[in-house]
Amino acid sequence: AQSVTQPDIHITVSEGASLELRCNYSYGATPYLFWYVQSPGQGLQLLLKYFSGDTLVQGIKGFEAEFKRSQSSFNLRKPSVHWSDAAEYFCAVGPSTAGNTPLVFGKGTRLSVIA
Amino acid sequence: DVKVTQSSRYLVKRTGEKVFLECVQDMDHENMFWYRQDPGLGLRLIYFSYDVKMKEKGDIPEGYSVSREKKERFSLILESASTNQTSMYLCASTGREKLFFGSGTQLSVL
Repeated sequence: AQSVTQPDIHITVSEGASLELRCNYSYGATPYLFWYVQSPGQGLQLLLKYFSGDTLVQGIKGFEAEFKRSQSSFNLRKPSVHWSDAAEYFCAVGPSTAGNTPLVFGKGTRLSVIA
Repeated sequence: DVKVTQSSRYLVKRTGEKVFLECVQDMDHENMFWYRQDPGLGLRLIYFSYDVKMKEKGDIPEGYSVSREKKERFSLILESASTNQTSMYLCASTGREKLFFGSGTQLSVL
């Protein structure tokens, strides 16, 4: 069965520091991978996605993620965190975007940013 | 921009009440989903629908039902609300290459 593990429940970083959020997946075929962000009181917004091709993908707000098939990972990175990045981040995996099989989400990582 | 609209941002209901959560999307999407979000548990799929009048159970369908009479509208129904259904409910629809989410409905059952 497909699954997503986000090992870190809560991470605190200083503003301006670099960030890496971990995501490991279990999937039987070539996965489609996503990172979503949820600001307090809001719905989820897509940060970036990977379908195929270049394993380093760029997203919005200065985020990037790297797909590593050998490690079944899709970690999210940002070189310099801003206070507005404080939010909850969700990794998700699925067979496709418009098929009849829904995405499976991880439990999320809450990011706090301190001055 | 695509819009997924959930009718209520906050809802307070009493135990045993029948509760309707409404979701409307304006992009002619085929697939629509209802998730429940709880702290430490992430998003869990309740039901989804890939066509009008079609529905599929997700991971936690117990205590819920859904209705999809029109393509743009997907309703989640709590037949008899219970306190353990207090949660954030998120509706989503699938467009090209990504899920679009509504802002969520925070339901409190007292």
